[in-house]
Amino acid sequence: NAGVTQTPKFQVLKTGQSMTLQCAQDMNHEYMSWYRQDPGMGLRLIHYSVGAGITDQGEVPNGYNVSRSTTEDFPLRLLSAAPSQTSVYFCASSSGTEHQPQHFGDGTRLSIL
Amino acid sequence: GQNIDQPTEMTATEGAIVQINCTYQTSGFNGLFWYQQHAGEAPTFLSYNVLDGLEEKGRFSSFLSRSKGYSYLLLKELQMKDSASYLCAVRDRDYKLSFGAGTTVTVRA
Repeated sequence: NAGVTQTPKFQVLKTGQSMTLQCAQDMNHEYMSWYRQDPGMGLRLIHYSVGAGITDQGEVPNGYNVSRSTTEDFPLRLLSAAPSQTSVYFCASSSGTEHQPQHFGDGTRLSIL
Repeated sequence: GQNIDQPTEMTATEGAIVQINCTYQTSGFNGLFWYQQHAGEAPTFLSYNVLDGLEEKGRFSSFLSRSKGYSYLLLKELQMKDSASYLCAVRDRDYKLSFGAGTTVTVRA
């Protein structure tokens, strides 16, 4: 079972470069979200989507863009990478049903030099 | 928004019981989740509470008091593999999750 798949697993960028973190789920989940995890700060919500064509900002959206053209895919774009964006990024999905939890991908470890 | 507080670290002996407390302040409550996260891995779901009371799942139990903004995760018969970070997360009416910073539990032989 694939679940939530994130690519790449590791990435090193230079300041100012752009890149897209990929996230795909095969569970037909409506709800998808992106988090970043930094030491001592827990998981913080960047952007989320409640269905194809619908996205909204989370707690820390600046510097990131998202789109949701299909139910399966929810890519996260860094337009101009900054050292402050060095973090571990997790994508998660859920069915949206009340008692169902979010399922997380394995994460992308991103370093900005 | 949500303010979620949990202890930073706890240490316990193999076979013992540990209770991890979580307090929260929320503008709209729609459920509380506990996740386990081993170092370098993704969080995995442990338990869910939306009504007051205790939910038991094997060695793990979770309690919720909505009026007090309080939950705890109880880990019984601790095993070495339970050494991990435990994350308390509160969901709001928009189905957004807010996480606490996590509690690192170290199990000693």
